[in-house]
Amino acid sequence: SQTIHQWPATLVQPVGSPLSLECTVEGTSNPNLYWYRQAAGRGLQLLFYSVGIGQISSEVPQNLSASRPQDRQFILSSKKLLLSDSGFYLCAWSVGGGLNIQYFGAGTRLSVL
Amino acid sequence: KQEVTQIPAALSVPEGENLVLNCSFTDSAIYNLQWFRQDPGKGLTSLLLIQSSQREQTSGRLNASLDKSSGRSTLYIAASQPGDSATYLCAVGLYNQGGKLIFGQGTELSVKP
Repeated sequence: SQTIHQWPATLVQPVGSPLSLECTVEGTSNPNLYWYRQAAGRGLQLLFYSVGIGQISSEVPQNLSASRPQDRQFILSSKKLLLSDSGFYLCAWSVGGGLNIQYFGAGTRLSVL
Repeated sequence: KQEVTQIPAALSVPEGENLVLNCSFTDSAIYNLQWFRQDPGKGLTSLLLIQSSQREQTSGRLNASLDKSSGRSTLYIAASQPGDSATYLCAVGLYNQGGKLIFGQGTELSVKP
């Protein structure tokens, strides 16, 4: 069966510090991968998606970047965090090559202070 | 630009009631529509997926309908239970965009015992 792992679960970082959130999927090959952010009182916003290794589409211009160094690994990064980067970050995957159900990780709660 | 709206934003009902959550979208050119459940501080769990060619899907006490022409979907929950308390999100899937989902803001449901 397929599983998705996200870590860390909670993170508190000072303004200006770097960020690296990791997401891995097991039990499937060539998945589509997604990073979402859910800010307090706001809906879920798609940040990046990837349909293959090294293929990243950015949805919203911002202080963040994403990379996919391996087929089932998706990384969200920042060189210098802003206060506005605080939120709940969710990674998701779906079967590649088609529009199917998206399965979500447990999320990372990021607080930038 | 596709926009998804969910009404109401919050709903409180006594246990045992049947209830309907509403979702509307502005562009009828969707590939599918998904309903998710989110418990506080947790990731999303997929409840039902309706392909654009379908009119409804059922799972247990849940029934989701889709009317593409009017840009609406409803999630019907029969015989609500306190364990149904959560935020319910609908999301529309877009064609040819890597399985991208556009989410509504969610309806926060509270079922009182």
